Amino acid sequence: QVQLQESGPGLVKPSQTLSLTCTVSGGSISSGGYYWSWIRQHPGKGLEWIGYIYYSGSTYYNPSLKSRVTISVDTSKNQFSLKLSSVTAADTAVYYCARTQRLLIGWFDPWGQGTLVTVSS
Amino acid sequence: EIVMTQSPATLSVSPGERATLSCRASQSVSSNLAWYQQKPGQAPRLLIYGASTRATGIPARFSGSGSGTEFTLTISSLQSEDFAVYYCQQYNNWPERTFGQGTKVEIK
Repeated sequence: QVQLQESGPGLVKPSQTLSLTCTVSGGSISSGGYYWSWIRQHPGKGLEWIGYIYYSGSTYYNPSLKSRVTISVDTSKNQFSLKLSSVTAADTAVYYCARTQRLLIGWFDPWGQGTLVTVSS
Repeated sequence: EIVMTQSPATLSVSPGERATLSCRASQSVSSNLAWYQQKPGQAPRLLIYGASTRATGIPARFSGSGSGTEFTLTISSLQSEDFAVYYCQQYNNWPERTFGQGTKVEIK
């Protein structure tokens, strides 16, 4: 079965760019049909969809984060990545990657285990 | 943006009892609603999609109902492993996806 695993720095300084990678195993990103997503969860809070990408490179972002977010895909490595620029303490959260589909098949399954990113000097 | 509101914020239930969780959408999402379970330190796990279809491997004690703007997740007889936080999520308006703020089910 498909498994996802996040990786990246756990500490980022304010104003810098947060960069995370999600590695997909047990299936190919290039097989199509799925959108590869980033979701975050502030400490003790609910879930916030950040955006997703198709293997072709098509992206969709949460309007509230769109100006700072870039999601990219590397099909040769079966990975997709998140960059969030100009971070502040408000971006401290657990970041999850997850798989979904488009239109009305829009639930997220499976999820990675999540990685905590703290924004602090 | 479609806003999802869950109630109550915390539900205290004894093992073996029934738990009923609510989720309300700010506008109709038809049956395009999912439920997730999250335990401490873990990622959310998909329980229900299409408002009422259990995901693979989910026990029958979990059931979902509703359509439009009002949805319910029912756990018929709470087991110890069911104490967790539950989230609803709508996927009616591509590409927008929004989650409720969660309901914590705790041991009474």
